[in-house]
Order: sequence, then structure tokens, then C-alpha cells
Amino acid sequence: QKEVEQDPGPLSVPEGAIVSLNCTYSNSAFQYFMWYRQYSRKGPELLMYTYSSGNKEDGRFTAQVDKSSKYISLFIRDSQPSDSATYLCAMSGSSRDDKIIFGKGTRLHILP
Amino acid sequence: DAMVIQNPRYQVTQFGKPVTLSCSQTLNHNVMYWYQQKSSQAPKLLFHYYDKDFNNEADTPDNFQSRRPNTSFCFLDIRSPGLGDAAMYLCATSRDDGGWETQYFGPGTRLLVL
Repeated sequence: QKEVEQDPGPLSVPEGAIVSLNCTYSNSAFQYFMWYRQYSRKGPELLMYTYSSGNKEDGRFTAQVDKSSKYISLFIRDSQPSDSATYLCAMSGSSRDDKIIFGKGTRLHILP
Repeated sequence: DAMVIQNPRYQVTQFGKPVTLSCSQTLNHNVMYWYQQKSSQAPKLLFHYYDKDFNNEADTPDNFQSRRPNTSFCFLDIRSPGLGDAAMYLCATSRDDGGWETQYFGPGTRLLVL
């Protein structure tokens, strides 16, 4: 079992819809959970991160972490065509030497 | 604006011809990372530096080397590129406060090997 599993998509939704992106993981030592957005041929850009379990909201984006189920989600409300990108989940432990483990990314298309 | 800069953005090289990719940062972060990302794959960590303290991942091929002459600059050298080395190469930086810190990525260099 891979440490981080993420459905590669593509996921196509109409503009204005709510988007749900998810990852599962196997390592219970992970404490930090991140979502990166990567536009085509660009570097990943950190959208938001969460420490341990719970929810975090930033504008149209909400991140959820359920450590008991080893499941994390990113919700995008009122999706826009400019949200079309690949979304990478990532996670790590809390130590300085813990590597970030990335998912492969989900390609998202928002249809105008 | 403080940022991570990578040059060149696109690099074409021939099979076996050495190539050097560069990264610079104005964030004054003392940790720097090199990742390799192939199409539809997760970024794969190649190296990282805590200041000048070099850390090599166990599965990074010997064909890849890195240099960090000062805090602001880091280089990735590919001694004899093969077709399988065609990828996006990402540089990232973070602070080092003794615990977990956010990584900030540059725009990447896309390497094509002919």
C-alpha cells in the first residue's frame, strides 16, 4: 500500500459547483496535511495546510482532516475556470527531518 | 517580492551531455530542496541542504549531484542525462526553526533529453 493515495482524475465539473478532492494515507505519524495547486508547467503553490485533525477554511477553500479514518479532503466552493489545475495533497510528520510525502495529484477541469 | 527563481525554465540537452540547473532564492531560507517530477507523478525528493549540510536521498542516482555555494543559490548537475531523466525539476526552500516548516516552490525547469 502506498503511503499516500490520490485519484488522478481528471475530474470535470461545471462552473459554480462544489468540488471535493480527497486523499487517503497509511502512516499514522503524519501530523501536517497540505494541499498544493499546480498549474500546467508550473511549480506547486501551497494553498493551505492543517495540523492534526479538524477543518480549516480560507475563502472558497476548506480543508478537512480525519485522522481516525486517515482521510483528508479539500472542498472548493463556487468553482471558477481559473481553479482548473492539478491539486496535490501532501503530508509529513512534525519533526524537522520528516520528508513531505506527496500524492500524485488530481487533475481538475472547471467547465465554463 | 521574495521568491524562488529557477533558470532556465526550459532546458534541452543531448543524451549524455552534462547539464546544470540553477535555483536562487530571496526568502533567506536556510533549507533548500531539489525535487524531480515526471508527468502525472508526485514530486520525488532528490537532495536537500540544511544550510551547507548536504543530505542525499538513498535512491537518488549517482548521475545527479548538487552544489550550494551560498545561502541564496543551489545547483543541480546531471552528469550524463539519459532519456529517463526528462522531467520537471523543482527547487524549494523552507526556514529551519527546528520543526516542520512550509516549503515554497520555484516555477521549475523542464528538462528535455534528445
